[in-house]
Amino acid sequence: NAGVMQNPRHLVRRRGQEARLRCSPMKGHSHVYWYRQLPEEGLKFMVYLQKENIIDESGMPKERFSAEFPKEGPSILRIQQVVRGDSAAYFCASSRKYTDTQYFGPGTRLTVL
Amino acid sequence: GENVEQHPSTLSVQEGDSAVIKCTYSDSASNYFPWYKQELGKGPQLIIDIRSNVGEKKDQRIAVTLNKTAKHFSLHITETQPEDSAVYFCAASMDSGGGADGLTFGKGTHLIIQP
Repeated sequence: NAGVMQNPRHLVRRRGQEARLRCSPMKGHSHVYWYRQLPEEGLKFMVYLQKENIIDESGMPKERFSAEFPKEGPSILRIQQVVRGDSAAYFCASSRKYTDTQYFGPGTRLTVL
Repeated sequence: GENVEQHPSTLSVQEGDSAVIKCTYSDSASNYFPWYKQELGKGPQLIIDIRSNVGEKKDQRIAVTLNKTAKHFSLHITETQPEDSAVYFCAASMDSGGGADGLTFGKGTHLIIQP
């Protein structure tokens, strides 16, 4: 059973460009969480989604950031007009149901030049 | 919201010795406390977790203890080995899956096992 998949593993963008990060949950998992990790910091919760629904986005910046988890395909975290402060590792996690353990993917390391 | 403090930020121990990492949390409603191990360039991997109805849990060389009254929990690794070197994160949430608020993480402990 494949684990949580994320791509790309590394992404370089110039200021003002858009970044799209993808997450495919483990097979049988319908709950996805996105976290951001700054250097030397712990992970910070951003958003929790189920298929076609955003359940909680209280950790998402109000502007430029959006997330979706369509009926078919991976979950997408989208960052518009990136700035240098967006440089971080972005991790997604999935769980089988609301009360289950979260399993993390390998992360996408975003670098904004 | 929940706040998790983790200490120490760096811990160096001799191979074969024990390592202890401590975390405190602020929200008495939290009832799920996982520990994750993160190796360089990889995502966090769950190593052990504990729920608030249990005071201690052990899995081979790893154990976690929980003191709900004092709102702190600790990770104990015995007979440390070089492959235990990594960054360890504690976390807390109000649901065993992290629920709608996600997991709140500590800032991590860089564990170094000296040969």
